[in-house]
Amino acid sequence: EVQLLESGGGLVQPGGSLRLSCTASGFTFTNYVMAWVRQAPGKGLEWVSAIAETDGRLFYADSVKGRFTISRDNSRNILYLQLNSLKVEDTAVYYCTRRAQGWGFFDSWGQGTLVTVSS
Amino acid sequence: EIVLTQSPATLSLSPGERATLSCRASQSLGNYLAWYQQKPGQAPRLFIYDASNRATGIPARFSGSGSGTDFTLTISSLEPEDFAVYYCQQRRDWPLTFGGGTKVEI
Repeated sequence: EVQLLESGGGLVQPGGSLRLSCTASGFTFTNYVMAWVRQAPGKGLEWVSAIAETDGRLFYADSVKGRFTISRDNSRNILYLQLNSLKVEDTAVYYCTRRAQGWGFFDSWGQGTLVTVSS
Repeated sequence: EIVLTQSPATLSLSPGERATLSCRASQSLGNYLAWYQQKPGQAPRLFIYDASNRATGIPARFSGSGSGTDFTLTISSLEPEDFAVYYCQQRRDWPLTFGGGTKVEI
């Protein structure tokens, strides 16, 4: 069974930093593109970032480019998202997702971790 | 950026009725469109991919159609568990984008 378990969310002040983690199990991690999708309270879904399986290609939404960094540890099956220079508008539930093989859609989702940016 | 516009924002129906949800893209997607269902307090779940393919475990009452810029999700006969928010999403180009969602309510 595919499982994606996020951790690392919490309350942080504007300008602060946080690192989110997603531990994957139940599938061959190195065979899949992984991504983060967020959802502000009461709002819709927003893709944040994606990372290729093994070749290091990275992709970011303009809203987070230069502030967030996605990475993965393929030896430990963990996906990360480093959040720097946080803004109030970054407040959201952050979901770890797996893209179906062949750069497909998000076929598996974690339960999400809440990041709250507030003073 | 490809903009996805979903309509209507809210669909008020009763169990047993047919639901038709629309997603329009600002440029051609081919068939690179998916539909997700999200219930309160839960993560989204992939329902339809590549415009018309049901994901694993999705009942046959759900069907997707369309190509290019106009897509439709149809629920042939609503069950109580189908009342939720549905999002469309494109993978034709970066950045990946979602529509604003359609809430199907009783």
